Amino acid sequence: DGGITQSPKYLFRKEGQNVTLSCEQNLNHDAMYWYRQDPGQGLRLIYYSQIVNDFQKGDIAEGYSVSREKKESFPLTVTSAQKNPTAFYLCASSIGGLAGVEQFFGPGTRLTVL
Amino acid sequence: AQSVTQLGSHVSVSEGALVLLRCNYSSSVPPYLFWYVQYPNQGLQLLLKYTSAATLVKGINGFEAEFKKSETSFHLTKPSAHMSDAAEYFCAVSEWKSSGDKLTFGTGTRLAVRP
Repeated sequence: DGGITQSPKYLFRKEGQNVTLSCEQNLNHDAMYWYRQDPGQGLRLIYYSQIVNDFQKGDIAEGYSVSREKKESFPLTVTSAQKNPTAFYLCASSIGGLAGVEQFFGPGTRLTVL
Repeated sequence: AQSVTQLGSHVSVSEGALVLLRCNYSSSVPPYLFWYVQYPNQGLQLLLKYTSAATLVKGINGFEAEFKKSETSFHLTKPSAHMSDAAEYFCAVSEWKSSGDKLTFGTGTRLAVRP
């Protein structure tokens, strides 16, 4: 089955630690995205990538970093510089290259900082 | 910048009643608009999208939405609510830039369905 996988589903982190969230897709999509979801705030774009080895900051990139070394993978690192990292993180992908294309979402990772 | 506003963070209806979830958009160009649904602790699933082909868009699970340019609205409706429709619904607008296609989401509407 084609789709997007995110791991782990739940993640706990101590303050001051960096943590990396995994996102893999086998849809052969060029574009990939990371969103943060907080109650009552909808989804906010952290980073996005339209092609391998290239990525752009979204609306709330501070305290996060990404890489796009392979087409199917777009890992997100939450660094210790992120002041309030507890949230639900969603990865998405699309065919890219066009306006108005559907984004497909993974099941999400819930990060809790202890 | 494009934006969407969803009126009503919580909506409650009885099973079998009409569902109406409101979305208004702001866009300087003809927009691409989407409705997504999210069940608890899951990702988002596309319900329907507007791409200017027709103003009345039919989606999955009996939902539909009508694009009204004069009102800058894209409200989501379903004639008869089912218990399984209880979820959170997000309206989104697509913005194309040289760096790629971006979605801007509304803050969401949580739909409760009463037996």
